[in-house]
Amino acid sequence: EIVLTQSPATLSLSPGERATLSCRASQSVSSYLAWYQQRPGQAPRLLIYDASNRATGTPARFSGSGSGTDFTLTISSLEPEDFAVYYCQQRSNWPPRYTFGQGTKLEIK
Amino acid sequence: QVQLVESGGGVVQPGRSLRLSCAASGFVFISYAMHWVRQAPGKGLEWVAVISFDGNNEYYADSVRGRFTISRDSSRNTLYLQMNSLTTEDTAVYYCARALGKDGYSYGGFWGQGTLVAVSS
Repeated sequence: EIVLTQSPATLSLSPGERATLSCRASQSVSSYLAWYQQRPGQAPRLLIYDASNRATGTPARFSGSGSGTDFTLTISSLEPEDFAVYYCQQRSNWPPRYTFGQGTKLEIK
Repeated sequence: QVQLVESGGGVVQPGRSLRLSCAASGFVFISYAMHWVRQAPGKGLEWVAVISFDGNNEYYADSVRGRFTISRDSSRNTLYLQMNSLTTEDTAVYYCARALGKDGYSYGGFWGQGTLVAVSS
């Protein structure tokens, strides 16, 4: 089973700053990686899929990069609504299997 | 717009069964694979199962295989999760999610608000 490790567990930043979140896979997942945002009391929301593609409605300040085992979600300039928990997820093509990372909490400093 | 509404959650004793439903609207239900994902209180996300667009193929996480069954009814635009032999470790909010695209199983592109299942004696 592929394990995803996210770092840091908690990231404390101020609005306007740049955020860099990391996700490392225990083995290559090619580009089959997604990023989700979850605000308190809400369902997760897909932000990025296939490592670098923004989902419909994802603001341009969010960008994803990486391939193989190392991936990054970057938020160029934090808005108040961006403070949330972020999860990465990998998908295996065959058989279909999905794994989430443990999450990174982005909190206001 | 895409809408997914889960129902069927509640408190259930260990060893018992429960069936969750997810009513879908705003898209062509038979064109998309569908997922169940759960989240234990205060914990992260765990993928549970996926079913193909036509209902012919199902895949499960190791933690639920043999106990849970995912199914869909195209006449009712509804996704189901039959959960048997429940344990306290199954306590979680259960989300249904529509695949992002029509190709394969994809990612969870659209999510419902979830339904809480609490397994307790």
